[in-house]
Amino acid sequence: AQSVAQPEDQVNVAEGNPLTVKCTYSVSGNPYLFWYVQYPNRGLQFLLKYITGDNLVKGSYGFEAEFNKSQTSFHLKKPSALVSDSALYFCAVRAWSGTYKYIFGTGTRLKVLA
Amino acid sequence: EAQVTQNPRYLITVTGKKLTVTCSQNMNHEYMSWYRQDPGLGLRQIYYSMNVEVTDKGDVPEGYKVSRKEKRNFPLILESPSPNQTSLYFCASSLASVHNEQFFGPGTRLTVL
Repeated sequence: AQSVAQPEDQVNVAEGNPLTVKCTYSVSGNPYLFWYVQYPNRGLQFLLKYITGDNLVKGSYGFEAEFNKSQTSFHLKKPSALVSDSALYFCAVRAWSGTYKYIFGTGTRLKVLA
Repeated sequence: EAQVTQNPRYLITVTGKKLTVTCSQNMNHEYMSWYRQDPGLGLRQIYYSMNVEVTDKGDVPEGYKVSRKEKRNFPLILESPSPNQTSLYFCASSLASVHNEQFFGPGTRLTVL
């Protein structure tokens, strides 16, 4: 069965410190991996994606993510957190399963403390 | 402005009263999808559509119907809502290719009493 796991319900980090939000996946075939962010009372917004090529992908708002095939992980990172980064983050994978379903993780709430 | 719109944004209804949540996109996207968001469960896909007249079940389709008669519209129908369908619903769209990101609507908060 295909799945996405975000092992941390919440991550707290001090402003200015680096942050990591973890994501692991299990799919058959080549995965297409995405990160989305949800601010309060808003829909999800796309941050970045991994399709192929360089394992380190860069996205919006200074975020980046590292694809690790051997560990089946796609962790979201940012070198220096901002209070405004506080939000709910979702990892998602899209993979061939007859047709292209999307599978989302359960979300990780990031809290950046001033 | 490129966007996905949903209506209504908030809805309180009673068990068994049929309702429709509309979704429309102006980006000429082939792929459209409905999700429900519940605390601790993340987003779960209800139905999706690869193109006009092509729909398929997601992970939690029970109690829902969809149709895709036009490319821009993808309504979600609850024929006989039940309290366990109380949730936050999102519509999303994307280009058809497998590596395209989705654009999400603002959400519809549904309460079924």
